[in-house]
Amino acid sequence: KQEVTQIPAALSVPEGENLVLNCSFTDSAIYNLQWFRQDPGKGLTSLLLIQSSQREQTSGRLNASLDKSSGRSTLYIAASQPGDSATYLCAVPNAGNNRKLIWGLGTSLAVNP
Amino acid sequence: NAGVMQNPRHLVRRRGQEARLRCSPMKGHSHVYWYRQLPEEGLKFMVYLQKENIIDESGMPKERFSAEFPKEGPSILRIQQVVRGDSAAYFCASSPPGPLAGPTDTQYFGPGTRLTVL
Repeated sequence: KQEVTQIPAALSVPEGENLVLNCSFTDSAIYNLQWFRQDPGKGLTSLLLIQSSQREQTSGRLNASLDKSSGRSTLYIAASQPGDSATYLCAVPNAGNNRKLIWGLGTSLAVNP
Repeated sequence: NAGVMQNPRHLVRRRGQEARLRCSPMKGHSHVYWYRQLPEEGLKFMVYLQKENIIDESGMPKERFSAEFPKEGPSILRIQQVVRGDSAAYFCASSPPGPLAGPTDTQYFGPGTRLTVL
């Protein structure tokens, strides 16, 4: 049974810092991994999707890497800004059923001015 | 191209009433998924539907919950006789048509419906 874990659960940093969020999954037979952002009381914004054949994806100040063999992904945020404050979620399709997403509990990020 | 639409955005019900949540997928999408986010908990899969078919309902509670995706119109998640424990955010996602076992589908999420049961 696929399980997704995210650490840390919460993170508070001063503005301008580079930071890394971690996501691990127990079953490495995934098709892809997706990172989302969720603002309080709001919906889900897809940030990056990495296919299993890829090692990393970049979008602006965000870079996501994927190491299937070790069951890990990292989301790197460069030069953090207060507007980056949100909860970051990672999700993978369920092993053996790539339609059902299995979610981590998220990392709650606060970037302080 | 409008994204996934959900309505209402906020819904308040008293215990014992019925709640109906609607999801209109992106244009051209024929797969719909429902997820629930309970307070202080992670997102959990509920059900996966294609037009007129329930493909996977393994995440649906056994009683009071049902879902449909008719040939015409939005997908509906229906909760009968709501209880306080049903209070949560309910998210809908859609993905393009393709083989049932399509490996690289991206799911596009709606803004969610926040259900509060008094």
